[in-house]
Amino acid sequence: EAQVTQNPRYLITVTGKKLTVTCSQNMNHEYMSWYRQDPGLGLRQIYYSMNVEVTDKGDVPEGYKVSRKEKRNFPLILESPSPNQTSLYFCASRREATGVTGELFFGEGSRLTVL
Amino acid sequence: AQKITQTQPGMFVQEKEAVTLDCTYDTSDQSYGLFWYKQPSSGEMIFLIYQGSYDEQNATEGRYSLNFQKARKSANLVISASQLGDSAMYFCAMREPYTGRRALTFGSGTRLQVQP
Repeated sequence: EAQVTQNPRYLITVTGKKLTVTCSQNMNHEYMSWYRQDPGLGLRQIYYSMNVEVTDKGDVPEGYKVSRKEKRNFPLILESPSPNQTSLYFCASRREATGVTGELFFGEGSRLTVL
Repeated sequence: AQKITQTQPGMFVQEKEAVTLDCTYDTSDQSYGLFWYKQPSSGEMIFLIYQGSYDEQNATEGRYSLNFQKARKSANLVISASQLGDSAMYFCAMREPYTGRRALTFGSGTRLQVQP
């Protein structure tokens, strides 16, 4: 089954404790991206990757890091989480060759609370 | 400036009735794509329908149709014969080809509640 898998789905942590949210897709997609969703703001892009070893900032990259060492994996790293990073996080992927038409396939979301 | 505007934070509709969720967008590109996603209370994002800027026909997918008015820059989602399971958050999104990020830009969403 084609899917994007995120872990953990739920996490409560404390300020400053480094954490990683993993994302893996099994569709051989070139493009992967992280979004955060906050009430009233919709989804905002954090980082994206066009392919292995190619990453770039989205709209709200501050406080986050990513890496793309393998095509299927795109982990999101919070080096020193703060309460304003409490949010619902989505990983997404798509085939790069689809131009404007290709839909984004989303993971199930990771709800993060930073105390 | 807002790229995607959804002016209805919340909507109510009676079961079996049709409902229109509004979406306006702003772009200077001639080629772009418009998407609608559904987010039920469980949280996942479900792709509903896509409209390309050059598509002459309005997109349809089952009970979902997209009322695309290019000159007005609107891409409203129409759900016919609403069902209780349609209660969810709905997001309109746009992809522009030359942003470099090729991201989807999302609106703030409309929460739809279907009443029995």
